[in-house]
Amino acid sequence: QLQLQESGPGLVKPSETLSLTCTVSIDSISSGSYYWGWIRQPPGKGLEWIASIYYSGSTYFNPSLKSRVTISINTSKNQFSLNLSSVTAADTAVYYCARAGTIAAPRYWGQGTLVTVSS
Amino acid sequence: QSALTQPASVSGSLGQSITISCTGTSSDVGSYNLVSWYQQHPGKAPKLMIYEVSKRPSGVSNRFSGSKSGNTASLTISGLQTEDEADYYCCSYSGSNTAVLFGGGTKLTVL
Repeated sequence: QLQLQESGPGLVKPSETLSLTCTVSIDSISSGSYYWGWIRQPPGKGLEWIASIYYSGSTYFNPSLKSRVTISINTSKNQFSLNLSSVTAADTAVYYCARAGTIAAPRYWGQGTLVTVSS
Repeated sequence: QSALTQPASVSGSLGQSITISCTGTSSDVGSYNLVSWYQQHPGKAPKLMIYEVSKRPSGVSNRFSGSKSGNTASLTISGLQTEDEADYYCCSYSGSNTAVLFGGGTKLTVL
């Protein structure tokens, strides 16, 4: 069973950059035609798609976040990463990484990691 | 771009059936058979229940079914069970920005 695990700081200061990594286990991140993505959920609120990267390197972004987001894959470490710059309290959320066969159907999810933006 | 529109809450009795709607536009739900549905219990990651409008991943009960008409997709749960009580989210590909949209979520209460 594919496993994904998010890692990164749980607390980020306003105006700084939030950086998260997703480590993929059991399967190779470069095997198969999959989308690797990030989704977040503010406390008590709904899901919001942030960005996805195709195994070939093509990237897709939520237009409302695009100017602040970078997403990348590190095949040698079997990881993919998210950077979100200039964070504010509105970026406080549980951040999930996921794998999808089609871009709008993430099937395998990490357990999620809470990132709080506060000074 | 706006999120897809779902009712905030629905309820049904044990054994009954309920349907959750998800309304988008001709740029997303109406144009692509790339609608998926997720179940989320408190404190847990979402679980994929339906993909490509009506397909079920292996291991998902056949009590869950999906459909689409025009710009509105629907999730139907038949034979409601207590463990079905959860939040449900729809999701669709949007061609207008090559993006992914989620609905606001629907809280299902099983009476």
